[in-house]
Amino acid sequence: GEDVEQSLFLSVREGDSSVINCTYTDSSSTYLYWYKQEPGAGLQLLTYIFSNMDMKQDQRLTVLLNKKDKHLSLRIADTQTGDSAIYFCAESPAGNMLTFGGGTRLMVKP
Amino acid sequence: DTGVSQNPRHKITKRGQNVTFRCDPISEHNRLYWYRQTLGQGPEFLTYFQNEAQLEKSRLLSDRFSAERPKGSFSTLEIQRTEQGDSAMYLCASTLGPGDHTEAFFGQGTRLTVV
Repeated sequence: GEDVEQSLFLSVREGDSSVINCTYTDSSSTYLYWYKQEPGAGLQLLTYIFSNMDMKQDQRLTVLLNKKDKHLSLRIADTQTGDSAIYFCAESPAGNMLTFGGGTRLMVKP
Repeated sequence: DTGVSQNPRHKITKRGQNVTFRCDPISEHNRLYWYRQTLGQGPEFLTYFQNEAQLEKSRLLSDRFSAERPKGSFSTLEIQRTEQGDSAMYLCASTLGPGDHTEAFFGQGTRLTVV
């Protein structure tokens, strides 16, 4: 079945870049997604990448996709304390429901 | 439109009781999804509707769980004879159509605690 894996925790200093990694197993996904979840809040779609793309940049966010290795990464430039949250990558096999990774907790130290 | 709305936000219930949650999706969205998120985990798919038709159910959805979307608008998720293992955040999401979650919107969830 589908499986999405992420590292559990990342700690960076304010102003540094953060890189959150994700591996997935299903190669049929059309889109791959990054969601942000802050304490007590719902899931917020941050960005997504179409499966035939290698890279997508959106302001401070850069998504890299390596389809051969089934590896997705999210880079946050100039990380701020407000970026502290849990980040989930997700794929959508067969174009229906989302399959999420377990989430990476990002802690930004001032 | 204020987005996807879920009620209640929090529910504490005793083991063995029945509970019902409601989700109001974005009005023009045809697809509605239910997910469950336990502490420290990512959301897991439970079921989804295309208009009023329930098209898929996860094996996580035991026979104590039932979901409806009678008029293709709001949806309810009922859990009968709750167990402590049902304690989780229940999330609802809606999309305009199939295959594309680039415009998927999530509600803030209903946190269920079974004591």
